[in-house]
Amino acid sequence: GENVEQHPSTLSVQEGDSAVIKCTYSDSASNYFPWYKQELGKRPQLIIDIRSNVGEKKDQRIAVTLNKTAKHFSLHITETQPEDSAVYFCAASMNTGFQKLVFGTGTRLLVSP
Amino acid sequence: GAGVSQSPRYKVAKRGQDVALRCDPISGHVSLFWYQQALGQGPEFLTYFQNEAQLDKSGLPSDRFFAERPEGSVSTLKIQRTQQEDSAVYLCASSPSSGYGYTFGSGTRLTGV
Repeated sequence: GENVEQHPSTLSVQEGDSAVIKCTYSDSASNYFPWYKQELGKRPQLIIDIRSNVGEKKDQRIAVTLNKTAKHFSLHITETQPEDSAVYFCAASMNTGFQKLVFGTGTRLLVSP
Repeated sequence: GAGVSQSPRYKVAKRGQDVALRCDPISGHVSLFWYQQALGQGPEFLTYFQNEAQLDKSGLPSDRFFAERPEGSVSTLKIQRTQQEDSAVYLCASSPSSGYGYTFGSGTRLTGV
């Protein structure tokens, strides 16, 4: 089955810096890669996703890149703000009639003012 | 409703007790998923419904776990004879299609005593 590895497990940056979180996946058939932000005690919220026919996608300060050959994808957050502090999860899935997500272990991002 | 609603938010169960966790998906969403999130980990897939049909239950950890969605809307996850290792947050998610762009609920935190 699919296996997703995520690193780093923790990331501390200063406000205004960029943050990059990286994930690798094992199954080349995976074709959908969402990223979720989870604040303490709250639900995971979808912040951006990418499908395997696209190499990069941006949404304001957030971007995701996908390298299908290397089977890795990354989340880039620019101009970080304290409210970006949270745990971020990557996930991967293949369409077997529905999208069964396999999540990474999470990255705790701390943005210091 | 505007989002995925789960109840109760917190449940303390004595060892051996049966529990039932409820999920109200977004109205009209065909797909419904249950995930289990252990402390400090990413969510792990339990089961998937398309309308009232349970199409995948491969993630249910034992035959003590049972899920249903009899009318294709509200779903219930039942855990019989709860054990300490069942302690986790149980997340429900729904999607208008086969799973792109899940919306998660806030989860039920199950704690074993």
